[in-house]
Amino acid sequence: ETGVTQSPTHLIKTRGQQVTLRCSSQSGHNTVSWYQQALGQGPQFIFQYYREEENGRGNFPPRFSGLQFPNYSSELNVNALELDDSALYLCASSFVAGENNEQFFGPGTRLTVL
Amino acid sequence: AQSVTQPDIHITVSEGASLELRCNYSYGATPYLFWYVQSPGQGLQLLLKYFSGDTLVQGIKGFEAEFKRSQSSFNLRKPSVHWSDAAEYFCAVGVMEYGNKLVFGAGTILRVKS
Repeated sequence: ETGVTQSPTHLIKTRGQQVTLRCSSQSGHNTVSWYQQALGQGPQFIFQYYREEENGRGNFPPRFSGLQFPNYSSELNVNALELDDSALYLCASSFVAGENNEQFFGPGTRLTVL
Repeated sequence: AQSVTQPDIHITVSEGASLELRCNYSYGATPYLFWYVQSPGQGLQLLLKYFSGDTLVQGIKGFEAEFKRSQSSFNLRKPSVHWSDAAEYFCAVGVMEYGNKLVFGAGTILRVKS
């Protein structure tokens, strides 16, 4: 069984640029969530996708957007990058969008904005 | 609003000593509670979870946690710490609010001295 994978591992961008991060869900999972973990903080929920539709969103501006594909892989897009967007971005997949479902996390993508 | 508080930013224990990491949550409904561990450069690994039933839950790597509703707490314990337990530990509450998200605490960094 393949776990959650994310690419790239590390990424350096400059302020104002756009970035796309990718996530491959664990086999059999139909829900993906994205979290932002700034240095020294716990992960913060960005949004969740269930069967290709947004199923919940945290307190992040619209320049953070996402997609989920029919094979349940996912992308996180961030436009007009700001210095504060520097963080570890974590993807988590689960079987259904339910209250008590365990979310399996990938290793993350470390984004640095200069 | 939902929140999780981990009062200890850093904890240092001697190898072989017992460990208790504190977690307090604020959530209006029945909480679904989780403890995750994160090693440097790694994603989050689930240690244990509480959904209902027995308030003392057992997890992987010899960890356990006790849910105390009256104190809104879900403290993590281990009777004898190993050097390999050095990592950052996150407590989280599962929130069903337009989707399913995890609300994390800020984390506790565990250092193990030999």
